[in-house]
Amino acid sequence: DTGVSQNPRHKITKRGQNVTFRCDPISEHNRLYWYRQTLGQGPEFLTYFQNEAQLEKSRLLSDRFSAERPKGSFSTLEIQRTEQGDSAMYLCASSQQGGLVIDEQYFGPGTRLTVT
Amino acid sequence: TQLLEQSPQFLSIQEGENLTVYCNSSSVFSSLQWYRQEPGEGPVLLVTVVTGGEVKKLKRLTFQFGDARKDSSLHITAAQPGDTGLYLCAGVPGAGSYQLTFGKGTKLSVIP
Repeated sequence: DTGVSQNPRHKITKRGQNVTFRCDPISEHNRLYWYRQTLGQGPEFLTYFQNEAQLEKSRLLSDRFSAERPKGSFSTLEIQRTEQGDSAMYLCASSQQGGLVIDEQYFGPGTRLTVT
Repeated sequence: TQLLEQSPQFLSIQEGENLTVYCNSSSVFSSLQWYRQEPGEGPVLLVTVVTGGEVKKLKRLTFQFGDARKDSSLHITAAQPGDTGLYLCAGVPGAGSYQLTFGKGTKLSVIP
């Protein structure tokens, strides 16, 4: 049973460059979430997909951020024109609809982004 | 914005001691989840509590959800160095929402 995987694990980029991260959820999970975590903070919600539909977006998700889940399986998160403030751990989580009163979200190992 | 406040922020104890960490809010949550996170890794789900007053045990860890579903606690008995990590509570504010709201976490160090 494979868990949530994320690639790359680490990314160093120069300010102004574009970066793209990939998340592969647990295979039977139809919900996928992106969170961002900065040092000393808990993860903050960015966006959520149910199958291929993006259903919720946080105000944290500026116009430079875009997320896709084209076939309802893996997802990508792209950041355009990166800024130093984008440096953070980007976490992906997945869950299965309808399991409990709420979905239990399982997280991947994260992608650590450093913008220089 | 529904905030979850965790206390203490940092905790350093000797192996074999007991400890309790807290997660409090002024708002009601439909459920609360506890995660443990190690440096450079994603959070790992420990437990979900759903019913007010619910108590769940996971080996030496005991989780409680407050009667009013506004707070939760995690008690560890006879802490071991392997318990070291960042303990995060996270809540779902209500029906129809799926985004988790996280606290800032309690960073636990268990010294051998």
